[in-house]
Amino acid sequence: EVQLVESGGGLVQPGGSLKLSCAASGFIFSGSAMHWVRQASGKGLEWVGRIRSKANSYATAYAASVKGRFTISRDDSKNTAYLQMNSLKTEDTAVYYCTRRFSGSYYFDYWGQGTLVTVSS
Amino acid sequence: SYELTQPPSVSVSPGQTASITCSGDKLGDKHACWYQQKPGQSPVLVIYQDSKRPSGIPERFSGSNSGNTATLTISGTQAMDEADYYCQAWDSSIVVFGGGTKLTVL
Repeated sequence: EVQLVESGGGLVQPGGSLKLSCAASGFIFSGSAMHWVRQASGKGLEWVGRIRSKANSYATAYAASVKGRFTISRDDSKNTAYLQMNSLKTEDTAVYYCTRRFSGSYYFDYWGQGTLVTVSS
Repeated sequence: SYELTQPPSVSVSPGQTASITCSGDKLGDKHACWYQQKPGQSPVLVIYQDSKRPSGIPERFSGSNSGNTATLTISGTQAMDEADYYCQAWDSSIVVFGGGTKLTVL
């Protein structure tokens, strides 16, 4: 059974940092591109960014709203993806989901349960 | 930047057909997919590659994509289908979601 479990969310002050983790199981993690998607309360889904597999040079890409502040990484030995968030703003407050892109496809077939990040003083 | 536009809300009576549209420049040239999200839950894929249904998704869910518009159709809508629906596509290396449509079954 495929599982994606996010952790690391919490309350952080504006300008602060937080690192989220996404622990994966039930599939070949090292071969999968992993994405992060967020959702502010009562709002729609917003793509944050992605990291490709080792075969694709661990290439990353980010939404314009987080570029330069957020960094996605992965540790294939731990089957875990990470989202390092720096210089956090109040508008970054959201539930953050990690999700897997089905190999060679243009859709996300599995999603985690999400972790809440609240940026507030 | 690429944008996908959905109607904020759609209402349908039980047993009737609901259609939710998603508009974007030359969207028909891309692969569109759809997610269902119920309150407090993570999104669930209901249509991929424009018109394919994942295992476990009822046959009443169907999709199409042509020109500038992708459409999610729910035939014989049931109360359990009341949810938010999001379209999604890729533009180069960037993932784009539509703003979401709240489907009300009444």
